[in-house]
Formats: sequence, C-alpha cells, structure tokens
Amino acid sequence: SQQGEEDPQALSIQEGENATMNCSYKTSINNLQWYRQNSGRGLVHLILIRSNEREKHSGRLRVTLDTSKKSSSLLITASRAADTASYFCATGYTGGFKTIFGAGTRLFVKA
Amino acid sequence: KAGVTQTPRYLIKTRGQQVTLSCSPISGHRSVSWYQQTPGQGLQFLFEYFSETQRNKGNFPGRFSGRQFSNSRSEMNVSTLELGDSALYLCASSTGQGNFYEQYFGPGTRLTVT
Repeated sequence: SQQGEEDPQALSIQEGENATMNCSYKTSINNLQWYRQNSGRGLVHLILIRSNEREKHSGRLRVTLDTSKKSSSLLITASRAADTASYFCATGYTGGFKTIFGAGTRLFVKA
Repeated sequence: KAGVTQTPRYLIKTRGQQVTLSCSPISGHRSVSWYQQTPGQGLQFLFEYFSETQRNKGNFPGRFSGRQFSNSRSEMNVSTLELGDSALYLCASSTGQGNFYEQYFGPGTRLTVT
C-alpha cells in the first residue's frame, strides 16, 4: 500500500490566502519529501525533512513533521496563481530504499 | 548544472512492441530511479540503479527492465507492450543510493500504447 496519503485531495483558494496540505504515513521513515508537479510534467523538489527534524522553511513554504502522529504538513503562505499545481509527499521508510509517493493534493489558486 | 533530461518526450507504440526510454542524470549524480505515473495508480516506483547495478525494484513484471551505463545514464525497456503501460515515465537522479537523498526529476516521457 502507499506509504503517504495526502489530504485534502483538492483545494481551491484565492490568491493571497494560505494553503495547507497534510500527509499521513504508516511506518517509520528516514525522511519525507514534498514535490510539486505542473500539468503532467516532471516533479519539482520542494523540501526534504528528516525524521529527526520538526520544521523546515524555504521561502513561502513551511513543512512540519510529527513522527508521533506519523504526519506532515506543507503550508504555502500568500499563495499565487503560479502555485496552482499538484503537490505530493514522498516517504522514505526505514529498512528499505524505496521512496513511496502519495496520491497528491491538487491546489488551484484563483487570481 | 543541467537538469535531468529524458528522451524521447513523447512516444506512441502498438501493443506487443517494445520501447526503450533514456535518462541522463544531473552531472555527478550516480543514482537513477524510474517511476511510472498513471491517473489510476499514481506514482509508482519501478527500480533504482546505482553504480551500474540495480539496487531496488518495485512490483512490476519482468517486462520492465533497465540498465545503467558507466556515465550514470540509464535506459528503461518495456517489452511486449500492453495498453495498461500507457503512462508518464519519470526518471529521477540523486547523489546517493536509496531514499536518503533529494531526488531531481526529469520532464518525463509520455508513452501511449494503442
């Protein structure tokens, strides 16, 4: 089964608002990564957070990781129309070497 | 640095044929992983190559194979194509083996099987 599951499946917001996406997983992980994909193109790496980290920032992006709840969240602040894309979490579980992707959250930012 | 490149970008094949896709990783990256993306199954891991050896493999039939060359470039081959093989095939490169490192993806090859 897939390691990461995103919530919500789809999100529609106005430009300037914040967008929050959540990811849950099932077993222990080495790290968790967030990616963005525009219209069926390649994935763009956003942030990698390791299992011993709780929060990371990159520009308007903030990622948190709660290993006790086996969950992560991606916050995009002051969203722009250009942020419209699908966002995926990818978990790297311990004891293995695969990276397993969730189904993704489709974000639509209205101008 | 140049990003990950994949060729061809689009491909149309007929059932029963075979296809070879190519991936050139970022310079200095020694690991190449392949993924299949479909609307129904999402992103699924195919296999990873590191230093010319397959290190990890997903749950795909033996019709899916790959190899990596000494310059880290990788090819993926699908034999006896089926309609269900229609998908976006993505390759990703990273500096090291396994899931400890950031992966950088290419633009993908969109394969259509008719």
